[in-house]
Amino acid sequence: KNEVEQSPQNLTAQEGEFITINCSYSVGISALHWLQQHPGGGIVSLFMLSSGKKKHGRLIATINIQEKHSSLHITASHPRDSAVYICAVRGYGQNFVFGPGTRLSVLP
Amino acid sequence: GAGVSQSPSNKVTEKGKDVELRCDPISGHTALYWYRQSLGQGLEFLIYFQGNSAPDKSGLPSDRFSAERTGGSVSTLTIQRTQQEDSAVYLCASSLERGLNTEAFFGQGTRLTVV
Repeated sequence: KNEVEQSPQNLTAQEGEFITINCSYSVGISALHWLQQHPGGGIVSLFMLSSGKKKHGRLIATINIQEKHSSLHITASHPRDSAVYICAVRGYGQNFVFGPGTRLSVLP
Repeated sequence: GAGVSQSPSNKVTEKGKDVELRCDPISGHTALYWYRQSLGQGLEFLIYFQGNSAPDKSGLPSDRFSAERTGGSVSTLTIQRTQQEDSAVYLCASSLERGLNTEAFFGQGTRLTVV
């Protein structure tokens, strides 16, 4: 069993739809990151969470420490949101463990 | 610079040659990480530097891989006698300190192709 799992693996949505990507992990963590990787390969850190909820523009990230689960939501999705979204957890050993990523395609 | 900078952005090399990949972390960041992402695969940890401590090399896949961090700043990842399976995107990240809840910042990566 992988330490970090994401669902769905692939997601296709129409522009304007509300999108949810889920991340579950099995290890104790100090923080969880949501990353966005564009087709060119560059990675952008969207959020770092250790508890609760964060919002940035159309993006919302939540984490439930007890359930070892986090969600990334995108409201009013747009084709430019098309990317791979990666959940990365940081354990108490300070290294990152990455999820397999969710490939999102938003169609106009 | 404002972010983590990696160079080159793309590198094509012949099998058997040595390559060096460079990472300039954000100024003042004491923690530096190297990862790689092979085609269709997830991100894989390679090596971690924290200040003057001995690096965590547990992710290096073979002794052909090595990394240095000079002066606690710039890091170089060296791959000797490259093989085709070394083809991947190599990513560098840095964070302010080895502490809980410290955000990490990622570079754009170096895409290595071994032909």
